[in-house]
Amino acid sequence: DVKVTQSSRYLVKRTGEKVFLECVQDMDHENMFWYRQDPGLGLRLIYFSYDVKMKEKGDIPEGYSVSREKKERFSLILESASTNQTSMYLCASSLNSLTNEKLFFGSGTQLSVL
Amino acid sequence: DQQVKQNSPSLSVQEGRISILNCDYTNSMFDYFLWYKKYPAEGPTFLISISSIKDKNEDGRFTVFLNKSAKHLSLHIVPSQPGDSAVYFCAADSGTYKYIFGTGTRLKVLA
Repeated sequence: DVKVTQSSRYLVKRTGEKVFLECVQDMDHENMFWYRQDPGLGLRLIYFSYDVKMKEKGDIPEGYSVSREKKERFSLILESASTNQTSMYLCASSLNSLTNEKLFFGSGTQLSVL
Repeated sequence: DQQVKQNSPSLSVQEGRISILNCDYTNSMFDYFLWYKKYPAEGPTFLISISSIKDKNEDGRFTVFLNKSAKHLSLHIVPSQPGDSAVYFCAADSGTYKYIFGTGTRLKVLA
C-alpha cells in the first residue's frame, strides 16, 4: 500500500517563524499536494506539484511556498508564520495525471501558531 | 464560490440502518468524483469513486450514486456500523488533478 509520511504530527511555532512541513511518499507517484483542513471549510488546496521542480498554485497559496527537489519529497514552507495559519495540514499524492487517480493522504500535521 | 457543497454538517443514524450522505456540485466539467472518510487526527482515506460515465458504483456496504442532470451525488452506507462514525468528504475533479473537496459531513452511528 502507498505510504505518505508527514514528518511531524504536532507543531507549535511562534508568529514570524519560518516553518517547514515535510512530506515523503514511497510509491513513485508523480503528483503531490498540500491541503489545509479547517472546521466548516473542508480541505482547501494550497499547492500541488506534477513533477520534480514543477509546482502550481492551488486555491489559497498566499503566505506559502513549496519545494520539490526529489520525486518522493514535497515540502511546504510558511515564510513567516501567522496565527491564521494555525490549521491541520495534509499532504497527498497520486500516481499520475493520465487517468483519474485517487489521492493518498498522510496522517496530517496539526500546526499551532502562537 | 464553493464548487462542491455538502449542505449537512452532521448526520446521526441508528446502527444497522442506512446512512445517506449528499453532495452537490456546480461545475459541469467535473468528470470524476470520490468519497473520503476521515477519523480525528488521521488523514482522509479513500472510500469509493465514480466516473461521470456511470450513475452508480458499489463496493460492499458502500454505494455512490451520481445524478449528472441534478449535479448531485450521494453515498449510501448499508448497514451502518459504529465504526463508520467519521467525517465524510466528497471531492470532484475535472481532469486537472486539482481535486475540489466539500466541507464534510460528520456521521455518527448510534449503537
